[in-house]
Amino acid sequence: GIQVEQSPPDLILQEGANSTLRCNFSDSVNNLQWFHQNPWGQLINLFYIPSGTKQNGRLSATTVATERYSLLYISSSQTTDSGVYFCAVEQKLVFGTGTRLLVSP
Amino acid sequence: DSGVTQTPKHLITATGQRVTLRCSPRSGDLSVYWYQQSLDQGLQFLIQYYNGEERAKGNILERFSAQQFPDLHSELNLSSLELGDSALYFCASSAAGGWATNEKLFFGSGTQLSVL
Repeated sequence: GIQVEQSPPDLILQEGANSTLRCNFSDSVNNLQWFHQNPWGQLINLFYIPSGTKQNGRLSATTVATERYSLLYISSSQTTDSGVYFCAVEQKLVFGTGTRLLVSP
Repeated sequence: DSGVTQTPKHLITATGQRVTLRCSPRSGDLSVYWYQQSLDQGLQFLIQYYNGEERAKGNILERFSAQQFPDLHSELNLSSLELGDSALYFCASSAAGGWATNEKLFFGSGTQLSVL
């Protein structure tokens, strides 16, 4: 089946810093979504982005489907951005292993 | 609030027991998906129902079963529970999920199952 790899596995930032999270996938996909799992465990859908670029406030995402990767950009990070970020592909969602982000004040 | 409701939020039970997890999808959504999140396996797809019928199956054990009722709510039944079944179980819903491949999924807040 399709493989999804995320990097880095862990990231520690100072509040206000910018970061880029990467998701590589092993085959072409029609569906790619980014999720944030907050410290309380809730999974929040950030972007549905099988291709192209989208922005939502301080977050933006780009997927280059032909090269099989997606990037999630977080600018001016805040402590509330802490948690685990997952990318997932295909309709029934094959999840990557996530990037654990800690933003310190 | 995603609009997907899961109950109960927490469940503690003993090995060998049987439990039922419940999920109400967002209003109007026809598809329900179940996922298991454990420390060693990560987030894994278990099963999908679309308008009452099983649509896709993932890494679901034979001891586990699910169904979707006419009112579109879904239940995940876990039987002969083992210590390793302790996990966070998520339900998600989407509008169609039949043959569509371009839909966002919205997740409930999960049921934390602890098997002692």
